Amino acid sequence: EDKVVQSPLSLVVHEGDTVTLNCSYEVTNFRSLLWYKQEKKAPTFLFMLTSSGIEKKSGRLSSILDKKELSSILNITATQTGDSAIYLCAVEAGTSYGKLTFGQGTILTVHP
Amino acid sequence: DVKVTQSSRYLVKRTGEKVFLECVQDMDHENMFWYRQDPGLGLRLIYFSYDVKMKEKGDIPEGYSVSREKKERFSLILESASTNQTSMYLCASRPGGFSNQPQHFGDGTRLSIL
Repeated sequence: EDKVVQSPLSLVVHEGDTVTLNCSYEVTNFRSLLWYKQEKKAPTFLFMLTSSGIEKKSGRLSSILDKKELSSILNITATQTGDSAIYLCAVEAGTSYGKLTFGQGTILTVHP
Repeated sequence: DVKVTQSSRYLVKRTGEKVFLECVQDMDHENMFWYRQDPGLGLRLIYFSYDVKMKEKGDIPEGYSVSREKKERFSLILESASTNQTSMYLCASRPGGFSNQPQHFGDGTRLSIL
């Protein structure tokens, strides 16, 4: 059974801090790892990491895939209150294309 | 932009009722998915569909069924609602096959079973 574990489950920081969110996985036939941000509505896509693209960056957010350690980190620098959200990690693996296994999510709260 | 629309944001039903949750996407995507989201458990896959008339069980299909009669619409059915089905339900879609494309989500339906 595929398994994805995120840590920490919740995190409280102040504006300007840098945070690192972790995602580890145990799956068969890994294909990609995805990060999503969920505020009050639909999860929105942040990054997809694959064997051919192990590092992605967009503004203050960046993510790295470590295939040896079977894990990924999501970094957010100079956090803002608008970064408060649930961050979801998901892995696509196995023979069912498009099917994702999600971690529990990390609840990030950024105080002014 | 991909638009995935779920018919209701909030829904309250009674135990034993048959409940229909509707999802429509406007990007001609082959694949569609239904998840439920519970605190501390993340998103868990209930059912998915690779194309019209096709359906596959996810990780927690018990108590649910689905219907995909048209490509753009994927319905989740609670045959006889129970209180443990109170949850947030999320629908998603993506292009089919080997495309390296992410799933796009609707805003969710918060369902309460009394």
